Order: sequence, then C-alpha cells, then structure tokens
Amino acid sequence: QQPVQSPQAVILREGEDAVINCSSSKALYSVHWYRQKHGEAPVFLMILLKGGEQKGHDKISASFNEKKQQSSLYLTASQLSYSGTYFCGTEMPPGNTGKLIFGQGTTLQVKP
Amino acid sequence: NAGVTQTPKFQVLKTGQSMTLQCAQDMNHEYMSWYRQDPGMGLRLIHYSVGAGITDQGEVPNGYNVSRSTTEDFPLRLLSAAPSQTSVYFCASSGHFGANVLTFGAGSRLTVL
Repeated sequence: QQPVQSPQAVILREGEDAVINCSSSKALYSVHWYRQKHGEAPVFLMILLKGGEQKGHDKISASFNEKKQQSSLYLTASQLSYSGTYFCGTEMPPGNTGKLIFGQGTTLQVKP
Repeated sequence: NAGVTQTPKFQVLKTGQSMTLQCAQDMNHEYMSWYRQDPGMGLRLIHYSVGAGITDQGEVPNGYNVSRSTTEDFPLRLLSAAPSQTSVYFCASSGHFGANVLTFGAGSRLTVL
C-alpha cells in the first residue's frame, strides 16, 4: 500500500522553510527520501531506519516516528536548487527486501 | 562506472505492438526494479527482482513481463502495448548491504498510439 504524502504541492520564496509529511498504514522498517528534478531521474537524499533518528543533508533533514508510522522532511532556508518533486518510499513488506513503494510525490517550487 | 543504463530513451508504439525496454547495471547489485511514472501518481512499482532467476510482481504488473537471467540485466517486456501503458519508465537497482538505496536509470519515455 502506497504511503501518503502531504501536501501535494508547495510554493515558497527563497529562504523560507517547508515540511513534507509521509505516513503509512503499515508498520515501517525504513523511510527513504528522493528528489526528482524536472525531466530527470529521482536521486537519493537520505534514509531513516526505525529508532526515530533524525538525519540531515545540508539544510535538509528528516525525522522518523515509528509509532505513528510517519516521517517528515524539513527543508530549511530553501534555495532555488531545492525545487523539484520529493518522494518518500517504504519497503513492503518491512525489512531489507528490495521492494520499495513510493508515495505520490510532493512538488516543491522555490521562487526568487 | 556507468551505473544503471536504460535503452531506448524514447519509443513510440502502435497499439498491439510488442517491445522490450532494456536495463543493465554494473554495480553488482542484487535488487533491480521497474517503475512507471504518470502525472499525479508518483512512482509505481511494476516488477522487481532480488537476484538472478528470481522475480516478483509489484503494484501494477499487468501487461508487463520480466525475467532476470543475469545479475546485470533486467529487461521489461510489453507483449501487446496499450495506450494506458504510455508513461515514463524507470529502472533502478540497489544492494542489500547498501540498505536498498536505489540508483535510477535515466528513464525511457514510451508513447502508445
């Protein structure tokens, strides 16, 4: 079952912050985050394993709440280069199974 | 190091024609997957493989066949193309010891008339 992302779309000005949420109706083993620029392939951002750890990548960080079966991606002081579509992915069944199911994506547009 | 190579990049088919999308990886990854991407639908898993000789269905397998005779190659076959299969197709690979982090190919845009 696909994870659900919210919001579907976000428009920001440079320097503003954004949060993208990802929730699942199934227990989660890990949550992956990918970014896709227009006309390109998705690119890996970060992975979070169960344990509620928070990870960071430049000014992009993420959290994973295993109990709530949710993950959030935080984009701080957004830059024009952050524009794109963000996908969360979860492994179904939970575990290192090689089967990654993605949410429907959140489109982020950063304006000057 | 090429990563994941997909061919062709673009293809136009007529309804009922068959074709194969090729995917090859040179990273010795165990896992390989095919996804299709349609507007507003995200990336949907078609088929995946956990190793040579082992394949399984994903979320939207109907109309597609796969096989994996080697670790490197994972072709996707459309036996009788339909307009509903117009989409962008991505092949991806990952390794068990890499926490299943996906490396994607550049994509193949398929139009079925």
